[in-house]
Amino acid sequence: EAGVAQSPRYKIIEKRQSVAFWCNPISGHATLYWYQQILGQGPKLLIQFQNNGVVDDSQLPKDRFSAERLKGVDSTLKIQPAKLEDSAVYLCASSSGPNYNSPLHFGNGTRLTVT
Amino acid sequence: DQQVKQNSPSLSVQEGRISILNCDYTNSMFDYFLWYKKYPAEGPTFLISISSIKDKNEDGRFTVFLNKSAKHLSLHIVPSQPGDSAVYFCAALPDGSARQLTFGSGTQLTVLP
Repeated sequence: EAGVAQSPRYKIIEKRQSVAFWCNPISGHATLYWYQQILGQGPKLLIQFQNNGVVDDSQLPKDRFSAERLKGVDSTLKIQPAKLEDSAVYLCASSSGPNYNSPLHFGNGTRLTVT
Repeated sequence: DQQVKQNSPSLSVQEGRISILNCDYTNSMFDYFLWYKKYPAEGPTFLISISSIKDKNEDGRFTVFLNKSAKHLSLHIVPSQPGDSAVYFCAALPDGSARQLTFGSGTQLTVLP
């Protein structure tokens, strides 16, 4: 099966600019996640979707970050305006369901550098 | 407040020997634990998991041990191979339906040929 697709792989922007990332999960996976991984740290959940509804966005900085999954398939994550501390790898993951026996499948991530 | 801690940022072992990666957690609500492996420029991939009702789970060369009283788990790789060189993340799930995985900061394992 095709894995989780993410684009772009790399992005360099200046602070205060905006940026968007795209994710296409594994076909049929209802649950989609966006994680932020800062260098030297583990991934941190930003937002979780179940189909096109938000399950958990408690750690999403909503003043600058937004995410949508309008048709319950692919998803976009946007940052506007970006700050230096947003430099990180943004990982998208999907699973067949929000339960223990459906492990997360991660994409290769988008490495964002904010200068 | 780090709820999942991997106190060793790096570990080097000789090929063929045992690799032991450690993880500690503080949240007693965690009841399911996972290990993910990550190669450079790739996303993490699921390796092995364990429920809190067990104290050991084995899959080929990989075994995870859970000590609930000590809030400690470890991943054993026997025998270690050069292809095992990667960053290993410990992660934990709380009881309940929300799948808010909490990850540790990772341990870079290097297996020397």
